[in-house]
Amino acid sequence: ETGVTQSPTHLIKTRGQQVTLRCSSQSGHNTVSWYQQALGQGPQFIFQYYREEENGRGNFPPRFSGLQFPNYSSELNVNALELDDSALYLCASSPRKGSGQGPNEQFFGPGTRLTVL
Amino acid sequence: DAKTTQPTSMDCAEGRAANLPCNHSTISGNEYVYWYRQIHSQGPQYIIHGLKNNETNEMASLIITEDRKSSTLILPHATLRDTAVYYCIVLTGTASKLTFGTGTRLQVTL
Repeated sequence: ETGVTQSPTHLIKTRGQQVTLRCSSQSGHNTVSWYQQALGQGPQFIFQYYREEENGRGNFPPRFSGLQFPNYSSELNVNALELDDSALYLCASSPRKGSGQGPNEQFFGPGTRLTVL
Repeated sequence: DAKTTQPTSMDCAEGRAANLPCNHSTISGNEYVYWYRQIHSQGPQYIIHGLKNNETNEMASLIITEDRKSSTLILPHATLRDTAVYYCIVLTGTASKLTFGTGTRLQVTL
């Protein structure tokens, strides 16, 4: 069983540029979540996708956008990069449980480290 | 989701049990307690979760007090590879997001 994979592992961009990060979910998982982790902080929820639709969003501006594809892989796009966007971006996949079975355990990838200069 | 409080850091000798506490005094009846850990430069890893009863799996045990206002994650025989930041998270069954606090930095030493 293949776990969650992310690409690229590292990326350097300059202020104002755009970036696309990619995530392949674990086999059998239909839900993908994205998190941003600044240095020394816990991960912060950006948004979640379920069956190609956004299913919850954190406190991030619209220049953070995402996509989920029919194979449940996902992309995170960030436009007009700012210096504060420098962080580790984590993708997590989870299976969708039935009602009353509790929250979904999320399985994280290794992350993409983005540096904005 | 209910707020959690954890100690900033803890030390544990290798081979001994590591007991990591978490306070969640405002937890609601339909909220679960989840534990994740993050080893340096890796993504967080799910450990265990529970609602009311104590739980055990191959990684750890979770002890939840009867009033559910606090819990303890137990690593029965800590190893150096257990050195990580441990996050206690409380969330409802329909929650879509994990809300990470600052966690407890566990240092396992020889």
